[in-house]
Amino acid sequence: DAGITQSPRYKITETGRQVTLMCHQTWSHSYMFWYRQDLGHGLRLIYYSAAADITDKGEVPDGYVVSRSKTENFPLTLESATRSQTSVYFCASARGQGTTIYFGEGSWLTVV
Amino acid sequence: GQQVMQIPQYQHVQEGEDFTTYCNSSTTLSNIQWYKQRPGGHPVFLIQLVKSGEVKKQKRLTFQFGEAKKNSSLHITATQTTDVGTYFCAVLHSGNTGKLIFGQGTTLQVKP
Repeated sequence: DAGITQSPRYKITETGRQVTLMCHQTWSHSYMFWYRQDLGHGLRLIYYSAAADITDKGEVPDGYVVSRSKTENFPLTLESATRSQTSVYFCASARGQGTTIYFGEGSWLTVV
Repeated sequence: GQQVMQIPQYQHVQEGEDFTTYCNSSTTLSNIQWYKQRPGGHPVFLIQLVKSGEVKKQKRLTFQFGEAKKNSSLHITATQTTDVGTYFCAVLHSGNTGKLIFGQGTTLQVKP
């Protein structure tokens, strides 16, 4: 759905560099999520946010930082990228707790 | 923490055969959602189950929520090549936080 967009879609970066993945949604959804997807691990929650200025850790938060100063944006920053952070990253949003979540198209990140 | 086990991890079927994937939790769930991800795509919401013993159908797909609300299944009758993809269940983490945790997914391959 065009209502949630991620950028960049594809990124190659070097070990140790800082990388920020952007996520923007136009629905004014309260909840936003960041998941990473790796073969054999399904979708693992990195961080999520219940509202602007409220964020909380998911299953695999180490090495990542998030912020949510505005309802519509939820950037994910890798402060010092490592090869183990090579993955597909999905941003998602939901109107409320336990409601349908809508995923972005994904950001393919390779750390070399 | 809240975990949901999904089996099998992979399933190869001949077109026309049936397919079932299962999600199991050690704790009682408030609800369960199912998503489908096509190869190279992003997860897309299929359905949400809330009530004990609930059964919902979408054409050839049948979704069930266990009586104890600890397990769920997705059954596809007479698979088609368009059913190819990975099917995920997702549950709310206990604690009323809005954290949505995904199972590992079942990848379905259909041979024409």
